[in-house]
Amino acid sequence: GAVVSQHPSWVICKSGTSVKIECRSLDFQATTMFWYRQFPKQSLMLMATSNEGSKATYEQGVEKDKFLINHASLTLSTLTVTSAHPEDSSFYICSARDISFAYEQYFGPGTRLTVT
Amino acid sequence: LAKTTQPISMDSYEGQEVNITCSHNNIATNDYITWYQQFPSQGPRFIIQGYKTKVTNEVASLFIPADRKSSTLSLPRVSLSDTAVYYCLVGAVSNYQLIWGAGTKLIIKP
Repeated sequence: GAVVSQHPSWVICKSGTSVKIECRSLDFQATTMFWYRQFPKQSLMLMATSNEGSKATYEQGVEKDKFLINHASLTLSTLTVTSAHPEDSSFYICSARDISFAYEQYFGPGTRLTVT
Repeated sequence: LAKTTQPISMDSYEGQEVNITCSHNNIATNDYITWYQQFPSQGPRFIIQGYKTKVTNEVASLFIPADRKSSTLSLPRVSLSDTAVYYCLVGAVSNYQLIWGAGTKLIIKP
């Protein structure tokens, strides 16, 4: 149980285009989902916290207009990277918090974004 | 949110027990201690979580002294596939926004 999926697993896009990444909790309901970014050989950096039915809370320094987050249901959150640039190339990881087991976060497999 | 300090890297050999210690001097009363494992280009995987004393599951043990200012992840009889980065995090259950430190890169040699 407690599986989180991400789609796509990797994506290449041209500079200036937008990319949407989906995060799904497959067998549990997640009131809260988190989006992280990880650059090569670095640790995870929290970008935003997404609560179902409300606006996401962004960490300092993360542009909310560039990284659009939607958490429309208890099993789906999406991250849209708008007007992507090469510096947005990174590994994006989501995690979901099970409302039944509040102590744990379950992580998705990540999405590798490359902007050319 | 408490900050954690871990060794940047560690080496060991197959079949050995590996202990990774994490320092979290400013841990709060409501904070739990959680360890994750991450392989390259994969999302982190939950290993173990604890609040105090000792917790054991099928893959690891977690030792937490009474003052809770540190914790030790113990991996029994490691194998090559345990080569990964291990992260120690502390966070409150009610909030559970996690701050990720640099982690410990564990390399297991044959």
